Amino acid sequence: GAVVSQHPSRVICKSGTSVKIECRSLDFQATTMFWYRQFPKQSLMLMATSNEGSKATYEQGVEKDKFLINHASLTLSTLTVTSAHPEDSSFYICSARSGLATGELFFGEGSRLTVL
Amino acid sequence: GENVEQHPSTLSVQEGDSAVIKCTYSDSASNYFPWYKQELGKGPQLIIDIRSNVGEKKDQRIAVTLNKTAKHFSLHITETQPEDSAVYFCAASSNRNQFYFGTGTSLTVIP
Repeated sequence: GAVVSQHPSRVICKSGTSVKIECRSLDFQATTMFWYRQFPKQSLMLMATSNEGSKATYEQGVEKDKFLINHASLTLSTLTVTSAHPEDSSFYICSARSGLATGELFFGEGSRLTVL
Repeated sequence: GENVEQHPSTLSVQEGDSAVIKCTYSDSASNYFPWYKQELGKGPQLIIDIRSNVGEKKDQRIAVTLNKTAKHFSLHITETQPEDSAVYFCAASSNRNQFYFGTGTSLTVIP
């Protein structure tokens, strides 16, 4: 199946700093990528939908100035957690949809963020 | 919008037995139904999917059935093995490019 690569897998940072997470589709072009946040033993919470070349669409309650999303190319989307605080500690997962609106959805390996 | 419900939330089976996880959806426009397996500390992995133009799909020990009339679909795992232990998520999607996920089922296969 298609491969979505996410980096870093783990990151520890101090409060107030910013952290960037990268999501790459390795063998297909993804016009749409999704960013999720997952709390322990819970389902995936959609944060935003990232469209190549345009602004991301954020879900209700997600601060767009805190979670900056850039989808500069058909194979790369980035999530930057700005001025991170301990409550931002979580497992962040990206996904990419192959082809058009009917393509399969593939997930990255996830990034565990710990803010001290 | 779409509402996907998944049951059970936890499931324990003896090795070799079958496991069944069920999902229901509400939007008749949904036409694509993938299933994901998530191991601890990893991202979800697509294991099987089905589109609305078929009623059943099988891949070795894994099968998915879809009942469009009743708006439910199920994951069947036969001859379960300890490595099948994970959290499984169902999802529903339409041509509107959105995915709606179930709440997950934690499957434990007891050796």
